[in-house]
Amino acid sequence: QVQLVESGGGVVQPGRSLRLSCTGSGFTFSNYGMNWVRQAPGKGLEWMALISHDGSKIYYADSVKGRFIISRDNSKKTLYLQMNSLRPEDTAVFFCAKKGSGWDLDYWGQGTLVTVSS
Amino acid sequence: QSALTQPASVSGSPGQSITISCTSTSSDVGGYNYVSWYQHHPGKAPKLMIYDVINRPSGVSNRFSGSKSGNTASLTISGLQAADEAHYYCSSYRGNSSWVFGGGTKLTVL
Repeated sequence: QVQLVESGGGVVQPGRSLRLSCTGSGFTFSNYGMNWVRQAPGKGLEWMALISHDGSKIYYADSVKGRFIISRDNSKKTLYLQMNSLRPEDTAVFFCAKKGSGWDLDYWGQGTLVTVSS
Repeated sequence: QSALTQPASVSGSPGQSITISCTSTSSDVGGYNYVSWYQHHPGKAPKLMIYDVINRPSGVSNRFSGSKSGNTASLTISGLQAADEAHYYCSSYRGNSSWVFGGGTKLTVL
């Protein structure tokens, strides 16, 4: 069965960087676009970034453009999110999600918590 | 990027039906037939329940159904069960390979 497992979350000071990872299994990772979605405490979901199956196309939400970088290593079946210049308002649970055949996110991980605090 | 508008909470008794609305503009919900609905039990992975407005992924109960009229999409759950108690989020494709989500609706089964 499809599984997505995020890692790399933790407590980080404002202005610092953090890299999240998401490892996929149970499907051909290199065939699908992948996304990052976050959920701030008490808030709804917010789509952040999409990377195409081969990494050639990348899209960002305006809220993270220029600070966050999405990438992937298909040989390791792993998706990454490099987060720079972190702010307290970036505190959230970060989910990776597999893009379905259309414009939906058909499988998600359980998320990893990032807390930005001094 | 404004979120789609959902009611904060809905409730119903076991066996009843409820409907959750998701409203936005012609730039997303009204402009594309790419509305999805996700069920989220806190601490677990969100689960796709409806895609492309009306379609159910394999394994999702036919008690869940989706529809759309103009700029408003809806999720209906019939024959409510205790296990349906969760947060539900709508999402719409909004062009340029991006998505927008609703603020979420907490469903309470009384």
